[in-house]
Amino acid sequence: LAKTTQPISMDSYEGQEVNITCSHNNIATNDYITWYQQFPSQGPRFIIQGYKTKVTNEVASLFIPADRKSSTLSLPRVSLSDTAVYYCLVGDQGFQKLVFGTGTRLLVSP
Amino acid sequence: DVKVTQSSRYLVKRTGEKVFLECVQDMDHENMFWYRQDPGLGLRLIYFSYDVKMKEKGDIPEGYSVSREKKERFSLILESASTNQTSMYLCASRTGGKDTQYFGPGTRLTVL
Repeated sequence: LAKTTQPISMDSYEGQEVNITCSHNNIATNDYITWYQQFPSQGPRFIIQGYKTKVTNEVASLFIPADRKSSTLSLPRVSLSDTAVYYCLVGDQGFQKLVFGTGTRLLVSP
Repeated sequence: DVKVTQSSRYLVKRTGEKVFLECVQDMDHENMFWYRQDPGLGLRLIYFSYDVKMKEKGDIPEGYSVSREKKERFSLILESASTNQTSMYLCASRTGGKDTQYFGPGTRLTVL
């Protein structure tokens, strides 16, 4: 699986838009980009997945440039409850296991 | 809604004990996984199962075994618990093929 690099931590305030960028320089043609969210003492939760351009759901947007060597998770108007660790993963949709890095710890303050 | 449950949220055991961690999913998923999560190391795959009675070693299988007698249940067994197995254990499941993994709430195991 392609290795990913994310910032270790980010700080934000309630109501702001947060963008977390993930680098994946050796992404393969068949690889998809997936983001998970994890709260303390809970299992990771799927947020969004994409292959190219832009994907949006009720929780977040995922922006993927044409070269696909990076991606940006965008969380609109964050709240205190968005404080969590966010993981970026890259791999074929059919891959059997997930390789999590250390993720980005997002802290949202009042 | 997919539901993955784990038998215990917190567990304390003594060195040398045999430990069973149970995971149950209610969505008829073929694939099930056991991970452990440690600070600074992220999630690491211990074992996974493609289907009933099938199992494959992950990245760190030493000291663990698994059992999948029924499709909905995947058990992780620590044959003789050691202090370095103190960790958060996470179970996940997914349908075979192209789908995301759904995680349980985790079991925080402490081995004294």
